Amino acid sequence: DVKVTQSSRYLVKRTGEKVFLECVQDMDHENMFWYRQDPGLGLRLIYFSYDVKMKEKGDIPEGYSVSREKKERFSLILESASTNQTSMYLCASSLGARGYTFGSGTRLTVV
Amino acid sequence: KQEVTQIPAALSVPEGENLVLNCSFTDSAIYNLQWFRQDPGKGLTSLLLIQSSQREQTSGRLNASLDKSSGRSTLYIAASQPGDSATYLCAVIRYGNKLVFGAGTILRVKS
Repeated sequence: DVKVTQSSRYLVKRTGEKVFLECVQDMDHENMFWYRQDPGLGLRLIYFSYDVKMKEKGDIPEGYSVSREKKERFSLILESASTNQTSMYLCASSLGARGYTFGSGTRLTVV
Repeated sequence: KQEVTQIPAALSVPEGENLVLNCSFTDSAIYNLQWFRQDPGKGLTSLLLIQSSQREQTSGRLNASLDKSSGRSTLYIAASQPGDSATYLCAVIRYGNKLVFGAGTILRVKS
């Protein structure tokens, strides 16, 4: 089975800090995605990547950036964390349209 | 813009009942449709993937159907158990291999 691993389950950061959320998949999937999930708003796509060093903005990219230096790793960067970025962050990977696999999520709190 | 709607928003049933969760989408030009389960505070677990050329998929007590022309999918759970209590999310895979999610159905199975 494909495994998607998010490095942290819980994070607490201060306003203004630079935050890195790491995601690694082990099945050579070309597509990787970052979503955030908020009560009442559901899952929203932040950024995605189809290949190494390639990135595309999703529906809510403001305040975020991403990095994909290796095929298996996709990092989400909060350049200057703000309280409205407190959320559950979910990473996913897929091989074409053949179904998605999600990580366990990172609950980020910005204080 | 693709929109995905799930009905009902919440459902509470006694153990042993068979139940149906509904998902509708506005744009029939989808690649595939995927059903997920999410336990509180956790990531998403894939339940079933239905490719656009298929009508249904089955896994154990779960059966999912897809009618692209009418923009609908159903998830049927047979002989429900308390361990089935979770949020069930429907997502369509659209152009660019991006998922569009419904808001989910919160299921509670009472023992």
